[in-house]
Amino acid sequence: EAGVAQSPRYKIIEKRQSVAFWCNPISGHATLYWYQQILGQGPKLLIQFQNNGVVDDSQLPKDRFSAERLKGVDSTLKIQPAKLEDSAVYLCASSLDSQGYGYTFGSGTRLTVV
Amino acid sequence: GIQVEQSPPDLILQEGANSTLRCNFSDSVNNLQWFHQNPWGQLINLFYIPSGTKQNGRLSATTVATERYSLLYISSSQTTDSGVYFCAVETSSSNTGKLIFGQGTTLQVKP
Repeated sequence: EAGVAQSPRYKIIEKRQSVAFWCNPISGHATLYWYQQILGQGPKLLIQFQNNGVVDDSQLPKDRFSAERLKGVDSTLKIQPAKLEDSAVYLCASSLDSQGYGYTFGSGTRLTVV
Repeated sequence: GIQVEQSPPDLILQEGANSTLRCNFSDSVNNLQWFHQNPWGQLINLFYIPSGTKQNGRLSATTVATERYSLLYISSSQTTDSGVYFCAVETSSSNTGKLIFGQGTTLQVKP
């Protein structure tokens, strides 16, 4: 089966600019996650969707980050305006259900804010 | 919130050696997974192991949920085993699939 697809692979922007990342999960996976991984640390959950509804966005900086999964399939994560501390790898993952069975990560988007 | 501690933080092995990585967690969990992040950044799911023991080739894992720790064993290590190994858990009170990751163990296997 195809894996979790993410794009772009790399992005460099200036601070205060906006950026968007795209994720297409494994077909049939109801749950989609966006994680942020800062260099040298483990991934941290930003937001979790179950179909097209938000399950957990408690660690999403809502003043600058937004995410949507309108049709319950692919998803976009947006940052506006970006700060230097947003430099990180943004990982998308999907699982078959909300219990996390079949957890699969995409290759990630490496964001550098200068 | 739950604390996830991994040890050792760094490990250097000669090819062919065996190793044990440890993950301690501070609260009861209903989900524990081990991941390998390769040098290109790809996270690969190794084990879903909230309790008990599983084996997959040269890798095996054991979780003792009552004592709040999990171990990942790598036998006859190969250079392709290099990378960062993460333990990730979900607390029993969560039941949403949200994983809390440890800081990882960075493994370097030398030829």
